[in-house]
Amino acid sequence: EPEVTQTPSHQVTQMGQEVILRCVPISNHLYFYWYRQILGQKVEFLVSFYNNEISEKSEIFDDQFSVERPDGSNFTLKIRSTKLEDSAMYFCASKWGLNQPQHFGDGTRLSIL
Amino acid sequence: AQTVTQSQPEMSVQEAETVTLSCTYDTSESNYYLFWYKQPPSRQMILVIRQEAYKQQNATENRFSVNFQKAAKSFSLKISDSQLGDTAMYFCAFMKQETSGSRLTFGEGTQLTVNP
Repeated sequence: EPEVTQTPSHQVTQMGQEVILRCVPISNHLYFYWYRQILGQKVEFLVSFYNNEISEKSEIFDDQFSVERPDGSNFTLKIRSTKLEDSAMYFCASKWGLNQPQHFGDGTRLSIL
Repeated sequence: AQTVTQSQPEMSVQEAETVTLSCTYDTSESNYYLFWYKQPPSRQMILVIRQEAYKQQNATENRFSVNFQKAAKSFSLKISDSQLGDTAMYFCAFMKQETSGSRLTFGEGTQLTVNP
């Protein structure tokens, strides 16, 4: 069965550095998402992406965040200047149709030192 | 805005027994979808079951079934014949029906442990 894949599984970065989290959604999927889960807290929506543009973003998704689908297969989340509070598990998800369930990747654990 | 509440942070059940996980939600939408996702220690979020709000019939998927009470805004998950592999964090999630975006709103999660 096709899967959403995320790399790396764990990323350790110094505060203030830029980080790029990578995702390869399922190939025929059209809608793409990023969520994060701070340890011990709820899974929170960050951003949705469709037709090469952001369709919705949360209040968390401020100017330090950006997303890109550079080559038709990868879907990336960039955090420009990381802060300690960005430490979390980041999940990528995708789906093929508007009212279909989302399929999630294994997540990237981001640790900011 | 939608909210999803799971009031049971942890539950445990003996292997082969039945357990019910609770979920309530709040929304002013009339058309929406509800999901249960499972997150085992391997951490991948796996879809367990989905329910369309316009369907009165409760969804079932093998040993998993839901009790969807639209008026009460309740969406519980029943796991029958529990297996050790059911040990995981279970998340209830809400998605409204719309023309774009369609984010998931998650509950806090319930950690289920199946004991041998």
